[in-house]
Amino acid sequence: DAGVIQSPRHEVTEMGQEVTLRCKPISGHNSLFWYRQTMMRGLELLIYFNNNVPIDDSGMPEDRFSAKMPNASFSTLKIQPSEPRDSAVYFCASSAGTSSYNEQFFGPGTRLTVL
Amino acid sequence: SQKIEQNSEALNIQEGKTATLTCNYTNYSPAYLQWYRQDPGRGPVFLLLIRENEKEKRKERLKVTFDTTLKQSLFHITASQPADSATYLCALAPANQAGTALIFGKGTTLSVSS
Repeated sequence: DAGVIQSPRHEVTEMGQEVTLRCKPISGHNSLFWYRQTMMRGLELLIYFNNNVPIDDSGMPEDRFSAKMPNASFSTLKIQPSEPRDSAVYFCASSAGTSSYNEQFFGPGTRLTVL
Repeated sequence: SQKIEQNSEALNIQEGKTATLTCNYTNYSPAYLQWYRQDPGRGPVFLLLIRENEKEKRKERLKVTFDTTLKQSLFHITASQPADSATYLCALAPANQAGTALIFGKGTTLSVSS
């Protein structure tokens, strides 16, 4: 298996533009997580899905952020409009089962820079 | 408020010594703790999980302890090697929130010099 796949790996955009990050989880995994990592705040959970259904989006910073999981093999995280404070590394992770007991497998991340 | 803290941002040790990293939490009652390793430019990688009713867990040169009275987990790497240099993250799953995802600490960056 190729592991969790994220695209793009790097994204540089200007303030106000729409940004879409993509994730393909490991085949057969039931849970998918979106995280944001910065030096100041560490690794923060934004939202997670169980069986394609959003379970907890309390970590999504504001209405500018939205996430979808239209099927078991694809998810997107969209920021519209983007702001410089959104600059961070965004990770997608997946796990088998729907319990937080299961280890999470992380993708390589997308480094987002908003100018 | 609920907090999970990893005491040191950075830890520098010499090759061959034992590295000990600390993870403290407040206002949680975790069912288990997980430890992850993160190398620069990469996503975290799972290392070990320890349940609340386990005192200790080992895997090769790694050992994790879990003290629910002290609200603390210790992560040890024995006979450390330069290849162990990385950032180590602890993560917990609150026992009172079924199905809730993991909450991560900010990590401790370990540097092992030869």
